[in-house]
Amino acid sequence: LAKTTQPISMDSYEGQEVNITCSHNNIATNDYITWYQQFPSQGPRFIIQGYKTKVTNEVASLFIPADRKSSTLSLPRVSLSDTAVYYCLVGGFQAGTALIFGKGTTLSVSS
Amino acid sequence: NAGVTQTPKFQVLKTGQSMTLQCAQDMNHEYMSWYRQDPGMGLRLIHYSVGAGITDQGEVPNGYNVSRSTTEDFPLRLLSAAPSQTSVYFCASSYVGGTQETQYFGPGTRLLVL
Repeated sequence: LAKTTQPISMDSYEGQEVNITCSHNNIATNDYITWYQQFPSQGPRFIIQGYKTKVTNEVASLFIPADRKSSTLSLPRVSLSDTAVYYCLVGGFQAGTALIFGKGTTLSVSS
Repeated sequence: NAGVTQTPKFQVLKTGQSMTLQCAQDMNHEYMSWYRQDPGMGLRLIHYSVGAGITDQGEVPNGYNVSRSTTEDFPLRLLSAAPSQTSVYFCASSYVGGTQETQYFGPGTRLLVL
């Protein structure tokens, strides 16, 4: 399983764009990159997933360079409600594979 | 769909007591898993299952047992609770299809072992 490294914490202000980078040097060919969001006292919630290049949904964008050794979650125009812990996961989905969560990045958004 | 449900929401145990944390999902997902979350530790995988009758260990399996007799249910058993098992426990389920997979998490069970 590929190990991931991401910043422990980040601070931002409302309306700013936030980019959280995750390093995964040992990513395997079949691995996807998935980001989850967790609010206090709640379970994690899926945000976005990608394999290569760029993926965008209504919540965020995910940028993955050609070597796939890192990825960047981009949150446009954050608000106070985006204050949460963000987890980067790397894994494949073959039978018997389990996803491992790291410590995540705590994003604090201020007004 | 109710999604992933967990019971109880909160439990207090004495050291040495046993209990079962219940988890159920109504999405017909093959994968189910249990995580514990401790302050500053992120989530750590305890056990997981890839289908009925099949289970395997995660990062921190010691002190916990699981079974998967049906697709819907994946109970986590503590045979002899210890203070070190005080934590928040999350159950999750996921589907595998095409190029997309997400894990759907339950609301969590807060366990305090005295």
